[in-house]
Amino acid sequence: AQSVTQLGSHVSVSEGALVLLRCNYSSSVPPYLFWYVQYPNQGLQLLLKYTTGATLVKGINGFEAEFKKSETSFHLTKPSAHMSDAAEYFCAVTPGGAGSARQLTFGSGTQLTVLP
Amino acid sequence: DSGVTQTPKHLITATGQRVTLRCSPRSGDLSVYWYQQSLDQGLQFLIQYYNGEERAKGNILERFSAQQFPDLHSELNLSSLELGDSALYFCASSAGTGANTGELFFGEGSRLTVL
Repeated sequence: AQSVTQLGSHVSVSEGALVLLRCNYSSSVPPYLFWYVQYPNQGLQLLLKYTTGATLVKGINGFEAEFKKSETSFHLTKPSAHMSDAAEYFCAVTPGGAGSARQLTFGSGTQLTVLP
Repeated sequence: DSGVTQTPKHLITATGQRVTLRCSPRSGDLSVYWYQQSLDQGLQFLIQYYNGEERAKGNILERFSAQQFPDLHSELNLSSLELGDSALYFCASSAGTGANTGELFFGEGSRLTVL
């Protein structure tokens, strides 16, 4: 079974400041990990994903995340926040490995507010 | 645009009624997933279909049912509706091959309000 814990349901940063959204996972097998973003009144959009290989993954809009197996973490960062980054962010996990499609287990989400 | 189409976008109905939500997956995707998003429960996985067959069930109530048709579109049927069923219902799709890495493509959702 898999689970995801996102620390902090609300995070506020100033424009230009570092964004750090925390995600810890639990998985009985090596996981695939994802960050999705949801803008108001829209569906979820993939920011980035980790499957295998390099543990630092880069995504869209300047975001990146690092898979740390020893810490069971997959924190999302962006060096400099922009007003357009204000949204809700979801971390998700699914069992890794080859196979047919499988569902994602999502965290509870972190609402990011960017202050001018 | 994710390529996943959901209808209707908004739906208002009364308790005890039945509604059907429709989803067309991305072209070529074999898997369809339904998720419910509410303020108190967050994003909850309901059910997954793969090429017409039920593949996995999550926290789906017995009053809810789904199916995937030969053209791969899917419908989620919600019956005997209660106030607590008010939520945003998302459909997502993904490729169904061995190379699939689990990435889901989400529609914009159907917002259901039960009065």
